[in-house]
Amino acid sequence: LAKTTQPISMDSYEGQEVNITCSHNNIATNDYITWYQQFPSQGPRFIIQGYKTKVTNEVASLFIPADRKSSTLSLPRVSLSDTAVYYCLVGVGDNYGQNFVFGPGTRLSVLP
Amino acid sequence: DGGITQSPKYLFRKEGQNVTLSCEQNLNHDAMYWYRQDPGQGLRLIYYSQIVNDFQKGDIAEGYSVSREKKESFPLTVTSAQKNPTAFYLCASSRLLAGSYEQYFGPGTRLTVT
Repeated sequence: LAKTTQPISMDSYEGQEVNITCSHNNIATNDYITWYQQFPSQGPRFIIQGYKTKVTNEVASLFIPADRKSSTLSLPRVSLSDTAVYYCLVGVGDNYGQNFVFGPGTRLSVLP
Repeated sequence: DGGITQSPKYLFRKEGQNVTLSCEQNLNHDAMYWYRQDPGQGLRLIYYSQIVNDFQKGDIAEGYSVSREKKESFPLTVTSAQKNPTAFYLCASSRLLAGSYEQYFGPGTRLTVT
């Protein structure tokens, strides 16, 4: 199973761009990389997903290098409401799986 | 509105009692999951199901049981055999059991066993 490693915590200021990197050295060919956001006492919420190169949506970008052994979630111009825990999830891309492995999460604190 | 509901939000039980946590989805998803989260920790997979009447153990299935008699429902029973049952329990679903499909999470049930 592909295990993931993320920084435990990060601090940022409002308006800055935040980049959170996740390492997944054992990622398999069929694995997708998905990032979730979680606020206290709530269920995680999907942010973005990718397989390779770059993916962008209205809230974030995801950069995946060619070797796919890491990925970087980029949050542009963060606000106080972006203070949350961010999880990197690597999971198989076919129906027969395997367990989905959530990383330990990165606790992002956005300061005024 | 489509989504996942979990009930109750807070649950209190005495040690030695079994307790069942409810999870219902109206998203027409085939796959459903149960996770456990301890304070300050990440999510750990308890059980998952890719289709009705089929489910598989996750990383920490000991002391838990599930059923999947209907597509919409995936209840989790925390048995008295679970040594440390106090935790935040999250249910999720996805269209199919595959890493390429987004998981939708419920609001969670916080279980306290004393």
